[in-house]
Amino acid sequence: GAVVSQHPSRVICKSGTSVKIECRSLDFQATTMFWYRQFPKQSLMLMATSNEGSKATYEQGVEKDKFLINHASLTLSTLTVTSAHPEDSSFYICSAGGGLAAGLGVGETQYFGPGTRLLVL
Amino acid sequence: AQSVSQHNHHVILSEAASLELGCNYSYGGTVNLFWYVQYPGQHLQLLLKYFSGDPLVKGIKGFEAEFIKSKFSFNLRKPSVQWSDTAEYFCAVIKAAGNKLTFGGGTRVLVKP
Repeated sequence: GAVVSQHPSRVICKSGTSVKIECRSLDFQATTMFWYRQFPKQSLMLMATSNEGSKATYEQGVEKDKFLINHASLTLSTLTVTSAHPEDSSFYICSAGGGLAAGLGVGETQYFGPGTRLLVL
Repeated sequence: AQSVSQHNHHVILSEAASLELGCNYSYGGTVNLFWYVQYPGQHLQLLLKYFSGDPLVKGIKGFEAEFIKSKFSFNLRKPSVQWSDTAEYFCAVIKAAGNKLTFGGGTRVLVKP
């Protein structure tokens, strides 16, 4: 149980285009989803917290107009990197927690997706 | 703001050796603690977690961790490692009343066959 998927797993795009990454909780409903960024050989940095049906909360230094997050349902959150530039190339990872069906709640376990590797040329 | 530090960035050891990875956090309130593992080319997987109760928690694959509240530590241990334990290990902390995970910098473990 508690499986999280991401799509696509890899994407290469041209500078200036927008890229949408999907994060789905497959076997539970997640009230909260999180988006992280991981640079090579570094740890995960939280970008934003996404609650179903409300606006995402962004961490300091993360541009909300650049990284659009939508959490329209309890099983799907999307991250759109708008007008991507080479410096946006990174590994983007989502996680899901606060699940209703799985008995998860505040402060409990987050389950991670496999990540999406974005390369902007 | 809370922070998490992992003392070793890289660890190299031979099969059958014992492993201990240090983790300290800086938040004074009640926390939940996690160790995640990321095998090469794979996503983060939960190794073990501590919420309350027995401070010595056992996880998957023979790993265990001990929460020492007075030291703000949650060190990960395995008595005898295998080559397949080669991975990056992340300690993470979340406030008991919150939902934001703070990760340590990670420790890359290489087990030589």
